Amino acid sequence: EAGVAQSPRYKIIEKRQSVAFWCNPISGHATLYWYQQILGQGPKLLIQFQNNGVVDDSQLPKDRFSAERLKGVDSTLKIQPAKLEDSAVYLCASSLALQGERAFFGQGTRLTVV
Amino acid sequence: GDSVTQMEGPVTLSEEAFLTINCTYTATGYPSLFWYVQYPGEGLQLLLKATKADDKGSNKGFEATYRKETTSFHLEKGSVQVSDSAVYFCALSDPWNQAGTALIFGKGTTLSVSS
Repeated sequence: EAGVAQSPRYKIIEKRQSVAFWCNPISGHATLYWYQQILGQGPKLLIQFQNNGVVDDSQLPKDRFSAERLKGVDSTLKIQPAKLEDSAVYLCASSLALQGERAFFGQGTRLTVV
Repeated sequence: GDSVTQMEGPVTLSEEAFLTINCTYTATGYPSLFWYVQYPGEGLQLLLKATKADDKGSNKGFEATYRKETTSFHLEKGSVQVSDSAVYFCALSDPWNQAGTALIFGKGTTLSVSS
């Protein structure tokens, strides 16, 4: 079974630039999550989708972050403009249903903002 | 809100030593509890879980018991191996959280095992 695919694996940008990350969840998984993992900390939820609807985006900095889930499958996370404190690993995860425990994680995209 | 607190690392052990990583939680409802592991260069993987009080999760020689009275879910292994070197995350998912059922993670504990 293919896992959660994310791209790119690494990205370096200057502050105030924009960046986008892509995630392809496991086939058939209705729930998709984006997490932000800052160095030395645990992952923090940014947004949770159920199919193509948003379940929870309470911790998404909406002035600069946006996310969409295309046709309930792939998802993109965008940051515009980026700040130095956005440097982190961005993790995508998916699960069959609204059960966080059965989430499968991608390898993440490491973003460095300079 | 819900939260997870786990002991800070790094934890450095010799092979075959006993491992304990402490984890406590705060939740409004009756959460499910998990340990995830992140090996170097790899993604997060579910190690074990427990969904109700007194449940014991186990996998690969690791165990953790859901203690409601102490709000704890400590990870233990009787004899660690070099291959257990990784970052371990305690997490909870609260089905009573109307905002969603996403995982809430602790900060992670780095385990380094030497031969």
